[in-house]
Amino acid sequence: GAVVSQHPSRVICKSGTSVKIECRSLDFQATTMFWYRQFPKKSLMLMATSNEGSKATYEQGVEKDKFLINHASLTLSTLTVTSAHPEDSSFYICSAKGIGLAGNEQFFGPGTRLTVL
Amino acid sequence: AQSVTQPDIHITVSEGASLELRCNYSYGATPYLFWYVQSPGQGLQLLLKYFSGDTLVQGIKGFEAEFKRSQSSFNLRKPSVHWSDAAEYFCAVGAFLNSGNTPLVFGKGTRLSVIA
Repeated sequence: GAVVSQHPSRVICKSGTSVKIECRSLDFQATTMFWYRQFPKKSLMLMATSNEGSKATYEQGVEKDKFLINHASLTLSTLTVTSAHPEDSSFYICSAKGIGLAGNEQFFGPGTRLTVL
Repeated sequence: AQSVTQPDIHITVSEGASLELRCNYSYGATPYLFWYVQSPGQGLQLLLKYFSGDTLVQGIKGFEAEFKRSQSSFNLRKPSVHWSDAAEYFCAVGAFLNSGNTPLVFGKGTRLSVIA
């Protein structure tokens, strides 16, 4: 139980295009989802926290107009990287917390590797 | 402020040798502690977690961790390392209570290399 999927697992796009990454909780309802970014050989950096049906809360330094987050349902959150540039290339990981799950445990997706050419 | 410190950026051990990865945390409330492992290009896999009870917790793949409140530590151990254990290891802390929006705080990670 408590499985989180991400799609796509890997995406390559041209500079200036937008890319959407989906994060789904497959067997539980995710009231809160978190989006992280990970640079090579670095730790996870929290980008934003999203709650179903409300606006995401962004961490300091993260451009909300650049990284659009939507949490439209209890099982799906999306991260859209708008007008992507090479410096946006990174590994993006989502995690989810759900109704009835004990404590503060988060369940992580497998990540999405974004490469912007 | 909440923080997690993993003092060792990179550790190299011989296959079959014992392993200890250090983690120290600073947290204002009752902590909920985790160890995750990440293989190159992969997501995070939960090794073990602790929030109450026996301070020595067993996880998957033969790992264990010991919570020491007096030292604010949650070190990860394995008695005999296998080559497949080579990966990045992250310690994380969160609030014990299910407090909705509280994210986990991660350490910077320790990269484990295993040599023959």
